[in-house]
Amino acid sequence: EPEVTQTPSHQVTQMGQEVILRCVPISNHLYFYWYRQILGQKVEFLVSFYNNEISEKSEIFDDQFSVERPDGSNFTLKIRSTKLEDSAMYFCASKSGTSGSTSTDTQYFGPGTRLTVL
Amino acid sequence: DQQVKQNSPSLSVQEGRISILNCDYTNSMFDYFLWYKKYPAEGPTFLISISSIKDKNEDGRFTVFLNKSAKHLSLHIVPSQPGDSAVYFCAASGSDSWGKLQFGAGTQVVVTP
Repeated sequence: EPEVTQTPSHQVTQMGQEVILRCVPISNHLYFYWYRQILGQKVEFLVSFYNNEISEKSEIFDDQFSVERPDGSNFTLKIRSTKLEDSAMYFCASKSGTSGSTSTDTQYFGPGTRLTVL
Repeated sequence: DQQVKQNSPSLSVQEGRISILNCDYTNSMFDYFLWYKKYPAEGPTFLISISSIKDKNEDGRFTVFLNKSAKHLSLHIVPSQPGDSAVYFCAASGSDSWGKLQFGAGTQVVVTP
């Protein structure tokens, strides 16, 4: 069964450093997402990506964040200068988009990357 | 911004009995609702979904009910099994977004033998 994969599973970095979190969505999916979950809090939406551009982003997704789909398979989240409060689990998700509606179709999540900023 | 609420942080149920998880929402633009199951240190795993044009969807032991007028949905698990012990998240997306999911806070389910 196809699945979303993410690397690394755990990333430790120093405050102010750049990190890149990597995701391989399910092939033939058209919509891609990043979410995060700070310990003890809700899963929060960060950004959605469709047709090689950002379609929607949250207030969390400021200029320190960027996303890229550098080739046909990878989808990356970059944090340019990490802060202590960026420590969280980061989840990538994808969906097929075959229903014709932007809101429907099921999003499938990867296992997550635990980011620890020291 | 609590557009999706799960007011019960935990639920304990005996093996073989029914588990009922509840979720309320406030955004009338939501038209697709999903339930995810999550184990610690893993990503959310999709369980079942329902479109706003329906009021019930069933898949094996899982049934989701949607009451649009009350802006309420529930997940029934029958019969509950020990492997069902996990955190369950309700999520919703709306026609005014690009599939952005709004999540509830989750309900920790413990199934006891």
